[in-house]
Amino acid sequence: ETGVTQTPRHLVMGMTNKKSLKCEQHLGHNAMYWYKQSAKKPLELMFVYNFKEQTENNSVPSRFSPECPNSSHLFLHLHTLQPEDSALYLCASSQDIFGQGARDTIYFGEGSWLTVV
Amino acid sequence: SQQGEEDPQALSIQEGENATMNCSYKTSINNLQWYRQNSGRGLVHLILIRSNEREKHSGRLRVTLDTSKKSSSLLITASRAADTASYFCATNTGNQFYFGTGTSLTVIP
Repeated sequence: ETGVTQTPRHLVMGMTNKKSLKCEQHLGHNAMYWYKQSAKKPLELMFVYNFKEQTENNSVPSRFSPECPNSSHLFLHLHTLQPEDSALYLCASSQDIFGQGARDTIYFGEGSWLTVV
Repeated sequence: SQQGEEDPQALSIQEGENATMNCSYKTSINNLQWYRQNSGRGLVHLILIRSNEREKHSGRLRVTLDTSKKSSSLLITASRAADTASYFCATNTGNQFYFGTGTSLTVIP
């Protein structure tokens, strides 16, 4: 248990569906992240939030829409996805953004497996 | 690219043997971290080594860092079947974390 909880763990959706991934961290951290993990590829940083303000959008297609209502919760809204978007989506948090401080560790959730059919 | 690159991509050893994984990177870093990922799960932080440190230990883990060569190694001693997982290095430049593709370790009982 890392203190970062993601739901659902598994999601199958059609290309015309709208769904959301949810992340909650119980660590009192200020920064939260969405990563995408595809087979044989490095983790891809998608979005970064610091004190619930988006600080980075790594050229992510608009069919992925993040939302951070507060420092503890992060959502990834999904709509009109493509089969190549199937991947493991990982939420993470850290005390300070990108470890700019003594507490440098990023804590990951268990991930949400997304399959787009 | 700043990405850490792990080597080898896959490693298979017998239980009780030592496992060594390497990580190379390209630009200056504040610290380097190693993470472990069991199949289909999230990444779990193992150990952090700062740029002014050369070696660090944690239980059966030993990490070295050579900033002149821009490389790090992770040694797992006396491996166990439960160590079977993927291992990632992450380089922290102070404004970004970069992960590599990982080393897949299989420990055969």
